[in-house]
Amino acid sequence: SALTQPPSVSGSPGQSVTISCTGTSSDIGTFNRVAWYQRPPGAAPKLMIYEVSNRPSGVPDRFSGSKSGNTASLTISGLQAEDEADYFCTSYTGNSTPYVFGTGTKVTVL
Amino acid sequence: QVQLVQSGAEVKKPGASVKVSCKASGYTFTSYDINWVRQATGQALEWLGWMNPDSGNTGYAQEFQGRVTMTRNTSIRTAYMELTSLTSEDTAVYYCAKIAIPVFDGFDVWGQGTMVTVSS
Repeated sequence: SALTQPPSVSGSPGQSVTISCTGTSSDIGTFNRVAWYQRPPGAAPKLMIYEVSNRPSGVPDRFSGSKSGNTASLTISGLQAEDEADYFCTSYTGNSTPYVFGTGTKVTVL
Repeated sequence: QVQLVQSGAEVKKPGASVKVSCKASGYTFTSYDINWVRQATGQALEWLGWMNPDSGNTGYAQEFQGRVTMTRNTSIRTAYMELTSLTSEDTAVYYCAKIAIPVFDGFDVWGQGTMVTVSS
């Protein structure tokens, strides 16, 4: 079953927004293998956070990840117009379908 | 530049098959697994399976077992995903993605997506 994300969040430039990603004790709750992806309109997804809180090279430090229990979170600090995109999470599950994805969240910069 | 470039949009009739390609460049193709993921409109992304380009070993999501086949041609650095017995529920954007394991767990490079439409 898909991980649960809010359909949309919004904020003004410079503000912070946080996107939640709720799973279960079988995925997020057990494994520190949560990743976050950004997908601008019409573009390919881009990895923003891996293994809960690590940023790949080139991703601004405005993006941060965390986890508590069965819920992971992505925070965008100092929101910029270029951050407007869809964001989705994924978690390793350890079973025969090893990855489950979130329902996706649209971030709007007001 | 590390990238994956997928083949173009497809329109298929119910019962037909589709084969999507994913050409890699900018890295050692045989060093990292390729995964396939799809997204139907309004739905969450759905993992289809993985393929090791070096060995050709594969693993498929249970619900697609028997309908999906993932292959590769290492000489042209291209991975393929074939899905058979298509129905309207297979209408979706299909993505290939390179996984960064063993360096870290994450899909660090994605193709641009291929729209597959199944319609009579």
